[in-house]
Formats: sequence, C-alpha cells, structure tokens
Amino acid sequence: AQSVTQLGSHVSVSEGALVLLRCNYSSSVPPYLFWYVQYPNQGLQLLLKYTSAATLVKGINGFEAEFKKSETSFHLTKPSAHMSDAAEYFCAVSDLDTGFQKLVFGTGTRLLVSP
Amino acid sequence: GAGVSQSPSNKVTEKGKDVELRCDPISGHTALYWYRQSLGQGLEFLIYFQGNSAPDKSGLPSDRFSAERTGGSVSTLTIQRTQQEDSAVYLCASSAPGQGVYEQYFGPGTRLTVT
Repeated sequence: AQSVTQLGSHVSVSEGALVLLRCNYSSSVPPYLFWYVQYPNQGLQLLLKYTSAATLVKGINGFEAEFKKSETSFHLTKPSAHMSDAAEYFCAVSDLDTGFQKLVFGTGTRLLVSP
Repeated sequence: GAGVSQSPSNKVTEKGKDVELRCDPISGHTALYWYRQSLGQGLEFLIYFQGNSAPDKSGLPSDRFSAERTGGSVSTLTIQRTQQEDSAVYLCASSAPGQGVYEQYFGPGTRLTVT
C-alpha cells in the first residue's frame, strides 16, 4: 500500500525566505502525488500534482515540487514566503493498489511565516 | 463554477444522538469521497462512491457509520449513537475520473462536536 511521510509537523520561516516542506512516499507502483493546502477553517485546496509527466511540477501561488524517484521524494518549495502562505500543507499519494483514487495523506506540516 | 458544498458547517450534538452530514458534489463529478480529519488521526479516508458501483466502505470506523448517495449526486453521511471520539471535521470531495487525473476537489467540511 502507498504511504507518505512528512518530516516536521511545524516549519517556521521569515517572510521572503525559502520555503521547503518535505514529503517522502512509499509506493510499489509509479505514484500520483499531490500537495494540498488548508487555510484555517477551510477545506483542502490543490496546490499541484505529479502524474508521471514532468518531474518538476509548478502549482499555484508560486509553489513547485520536484519528483525524485531515486530519493522517493516530492518536496514542496517556494522561493520567497509571503505572510499569506501561513497554513497547513498536506502531501498525498493516490492509492492505486485498490484500483481507485483514494488519497492517502501525510500528517501535515504547519507553515508559520514571521514578518 | 460552484464547488463542493457541505452542510451544516458546524454541528454540536449530545453523545448518543444520531447526526446526518450532507455533501453536494460538483455537478458532473461521478466520484465522491468522505474523509475525516481529527487531531489524533490526521486525514482518514472513510468511503468512496463511483457512479452506480457499490461503494467502497473499507474506511468506515464502525457500523455506526453509514453513507448513501442518491441519484449519483448528493451524499449523506450518517453517524448513529454518536460518541465523543466521533468529534472531527468531516470532509467531502468529488472528482471526475478521466479528467484532471484523479484530482479531488474538497468541500469546506462539517465540524462535528459531540458533547
């Protein structure tokens, strides 16, 4: 079965600094990978997805992620953090073993941005 | 266009009461999912509907939980004899397999508090 591990339940950065949120996956087949963002008291919004095309995936709000098969990683980055980026971020993998698109989520990383 | 909607947004109930949570998926989306988000367990898959196929209920935590989807559209998640451990945010998502490569769109969630 597929799984994802997010390292760091909290990440703190200063406004303007690089954002790096880590995600490692475990999958027996080529995975589909996703990053979602959740703002307070809201649902999840898709930031970007990897579907076996380009390994560098660009998403909304200036975020991007790179799929590295050799490292089984899909880390999320943004060159310059904004205060509005403060939210919780979830990495997820599609559970293809069972033949449908159930998402298996990581435990989430809360991004804190200080002025 | 309209996104996934859920009602109510908040629900407070007494232990032992039954509750119904509603989800309206995006029009035309054939797949519908329920997830639960709680502090101790993170985001957990509950149940999945795809078209007219039998739902996959493998994530339902107990037989007190059930869900139905009428007319291939609106879905209701029912929790009978609620317990305090049922307190969580219940998220609904929909997708259109074959379009957007398994991209799931989430509603804002229903926050359930069992007192």
